[in-house]
Amino acid sequence: SAVISQKPSRDICQRGTSLTIQCQVDSQVTMMFWYRQQPGQSLTLIATANQGSEATYESGFVIDKFPISRPNLTFSTLTVSNMSPEDSSIYLCSVVGDSGNTIYFGEGSWLTVV
Amino acid sequence: AQSVTQLDSHVSVSEGTPVLLRCNYSSSYSPSLFWYVQHPNKGLQLLLKYTSAATLVKGINGFEAEFKKSETSFHLTKPSAHMSDAAEYFCVVSTTSGTYKYIFGTGTRLKVLA
Repeated sequence: SAVISQKPSRDICQRGTSLTIQCQVDSQVTMMFWYRQQPGQSLTLIATANQGSEATYESGFVIDKFPISRPNLTFSTLTVSNMSPEDSSIYLCSVVGDSGNTIYFGEGSWLTVV
Repeated sequence: AQSVTQLDSHVSVSEGTPVLLRCNYSSSYSPSLFWYVQHPNKGLQLLLKYTSAATLVKGINGFEAEFKKSETSFHLTKPSAHMSDAAEYFCVVSTTSGTYKYIFGTGTRLKVLA
């Protein structure tokens, strides 16, 4: 399995500001994803983070709002831009492990926008 | 197209009694199926997975699930609930045919009564 570290684990942010979440994996992985989990909800895929190229966004998510970087096979960042209270969620980094198609998750970043 | 349905949003059991969390799936391909657990204020932890080997899959903490193709089901069970099992449980279906896609169920919140 992969060990995934996310920072920050929690933050309270002012509306209109931006926050960058970091995801560090303890091994090189090909597939890396960013998910959002709104309060009391299931997970929604934001985008696939592609190493060395632009992320692939799901319907309803755009690069201007959620810019993603992936400079190498162990690290990625997700920025939540121009935040509003509706962006209050858990943001989860995940990777596909080396044992086939199992997906592993970080502990999540709990964002509250006030 | 793939989909996954968790039939119960909430399940309550008494400590020491069996647990049954129901999951039905739809997939055009041979699916991989997973159960994840999310304890309060935590990320998602893999409980078990089915990837076309044995249909009865054993996971961590005494949980197991049986893949039934004829019923398109992958229900999660545990013979005896423990207080520490109280959490949110997610059933996930995926296919690696072409691209990695993971479809999450809406979750089942398990409550364990003393």
